[in-house]
Amino acid sequence: DTGVSQNPRHKITKRGQNVTFRCDPISEHNRLYWYRQTLGQGPEFLTYFQNEAQLEKSRLLSDRFSAERPKGSFSTLEIQRTEQGDSAMYLCASSSGTGGETQYFGPGTRLLVL
Amino acid sequence: EDKVVQSPLSLVVHEGDTVTLNCSYEVTNFRSLLWYKQEKKAPTFLFMLTSSGIEKKSGRLSSILDKKELFSILNITATQTGDSAVYLCAGVAGGTSYGKLTFGQGTILTVHP
Repeated sequence: DTGVSQNPRHKITKRGQNVTFRCDPISEHNRLYWYRQTLGQGPEFLTYFQNEAQLEKSRLLSDRFSAERPKGSFSTLEIQRTEQGDSAMYLCASSSGTGGETQYFGPGTRLLVL
Repeated sequence: EDKVVQSPLSLVVHEGDTVTLNCSYEVTNFRSLLWYKQEKKAPTFLFMLTSSGIEKKSGRLSSILDKKELFSILNITATQTGDSAVYLCAGVAGGTSYGKLTFGQGTILTVHP
C-alpha cells in the first residue's frame, strides 16, 4: 500500500487549454474525494465518489469541470477551457467508506494557468 | 452552509512553548472532527474526534471535542521547530453528504529555535 498518488504533481498551462489530473486512491478504499486549495486557505470540497458513482458535486464545480471514476478505482478530474482563477492545488483523498471517515490525502497536483 | 472557523490564524512561538489551537464548527449532521498537519504538501492526518470530552493523545499533541459548544482544541506541548506547519481542522458531515469535509482556513504555526 503506497498511499494515495496523484499525477502530474505540477502542471503549467495556458488559459483556454484543457487539463486532466489523475488520482489513484489507497487500494480497497471505496470513497474518493477531490478538493481544491488556494494559497492561505483550507481545502474546499469539489466532489466525491462512492465506487464509480459520483454522489455530490459542489457549487464550486462549474460546468468546465468534470470528474470520473469509471471502474471504481482511479479517478480523473478534467478542467476545460482553463482560466487563471483555476490556478490552485488540486487534492485527492480516499477513505474506506462506512465507518471510515478519516480521509487520506495524496500529494496534490499544483496547477498554474498563465 | 457548513462552516469551520479556526483561531488564531497564525502563531509564532519559541521552542518549548505550549500552544492551543481552536476550531469551531457548524456542520450539517455532524459526525466527527478531524485535525490535519500540512507542511508545504498534502495534509497528514493527526486525530479523529467523535465523542465529547474524550481526549485523544499522540506524543506531545492532544485534542478534545466539545459537541455541546461545537468546538475543538488542539494542544501541542514542548513545541519543536519541526512542529512548524499549517494545522487544519475539518468537520465531517453525515446524512446525504456522508464523509464530506468542510475545512477551516488553518492556523499557521511557526516555532523559532
